[in-house]
Amino acid sequence: DTEVTQTPKHLVMGMTNKKSLKCEQHMGHRAMYWYKQKAKKPPELMFVYSYEKLSINESVPSRFSPECPNSSLLNLHLHALQPEDSALYLCASSQGAPAGDLWANVLTFGAGSRLTVL
Amino acid sequence: AQSVTQLGSHVSVSEGALVLLRCNYSSSVPPYLFWYVQYPNQGLQLLLKYTSAATLVKGINGFEAEFKKSETSFHLTKPSAHMSDAAEYFCAVSSRVTGNQFYFGTGTSLTVIP
Repeated sequence: DTEVTQTPKHLVMGMTNKKSLKCEQHMGHRAMYWYKQKAKKPPELMFVYSYEKLSINESVPSRFSPECPNSSLLNLHLHALQPEDSALYLCASSQGAPAGDLWANVLTFGAGSRLTVL
Repeated sequence: AQSVTQLGSHVSVSEGALVLLRCNYSSSVPPYLFWYVQYPNQGLQLLLKYTSAATLVKGINGFEAEFKKSETSFHLTKPSAHMSDAAEYFCAVSSRVTGNQFYFGTGTSLTVIP
């Protein structure tokens, strides 16, 4: 299995709703990432989990709350979002450890969850 | 700190013509470099990566890129464009020291004209 699976593919929510995005991989990767991508822009790193511990938080507002229940799953909990948070949210994974040419990790991306905040 | 710059946010080529997408990196030590492609409403797919073995790297779909340390460049080329190559292309860099941080360029949108 060489895929990263994201659900749901599309999500519409109001500013008072609580929802979650889910990401799953079964490649044995130990690093998992959340990226946010606006139209015609590059992905922006939000969070990195390494060996199920949060290792990077790129100063993301607290209305976004990541969770890594185990090495295969990554969630992004959403609460009290703003319309400007509407974007494509991409999950990715990588080996997360020196392998081959040392830190030559390669990101494998999911297809993304398209979020619209009304 | 690492960064990449992609020159040209939009590139148009005729079908069958050479594709050249430019990427320059900035890093105090030679980084790892990647090219990713993104089709509409999809995630990013790895085209190729440079990790210090061969300087000319071959990827999927007929693409290749050459690492030139003297020019701090990693340009992506394809000899003959196909209509299916129309997509957004991102150059990315990661550190040899902290491999879990990837930085993407601003992207180049490739249009292929029939």
